[in-house]
Amino acid sequence: GDSVTQMEGPVTLSEEAFLTINCTYTATGYPSLFWYVQYPGEGLQLLLKATKADDKGSNKGFEATYRKETTSFHLEKGSVQVSDSAVYFCALGTGNQFYFGTGTSLTVIP
Amino acid sequence: GAVVSQHPSRVICKSGTSVKIECRSLDFQATTMFWYRQFPKQSLMLMATSNEGSKATYEQGVEKDKFLINHASLTLSTLTVTSAHPEDSSFYICSATTFQGAGRNQPQHFGDGTRLSIL
Repeated sequence: GDSVTQMEGPVTLSEEAFLTINCTYTATGYPSLFWYVQYPGEGLQLLLKATKADDKGSNKGFEATYRKETTSFHLEKGSVQVSDSAVYFCALGTGNQFYFGTGTSLTVIP
Repeated sequence: GAVVSQHPSRVICKSGTSVKIECRSLDFQATTMFWYRQFPKQSLMLMATSNEGSKATYEQGVEKDKFLINHASLTLSTLTVTSAHPEDSSFYICSATTFQGAGRNQPQHFGDGTRLSIL
């Protein structure tokens, strides 16, 4: 069945470091892919999305490219800030079903 | 756009109390709403999916009589935890989406969650 596999954390980076959080998926159809961010004590916020192969989603300096050949949707940011500390969830949407990864906790230290 | 309001944000109550949590889509019509439960430092666990005007579809292992879900309109769904006990303490999150037909996957928009603590 459809699923999402996400890089395990926690991840700790220094401010201004480069971030990659890996996400791969398994799907029988043509899913849309999403990244969500959850700050402590809050719900999830949509960070970015891509609805078809080769689409690049971007927001707040974060990017992810929908790569069908490698079934991946890795999240990247060139220079992280302390305020980026949060849990990041990769998600797959197909039809009216959603599948979430297990989440990756990111801590950015000054 | 696409704002989901969840209320209350925090509830502390005695064992045996029933607690109602509301989830509202403020600026769009939500054909489908989802209810999740999240344990500390874990991912979201889908509890149920509700479509406006029909009965909710519960995930395996979720007690229907314990977690009552009502989706009476395109902008409101409620989750009632009946006769809550300490083991029901958790972070409950709702989300809403509009389904625009086959092949069109709209994102889920999440509320800010409700921290439920049963004493």
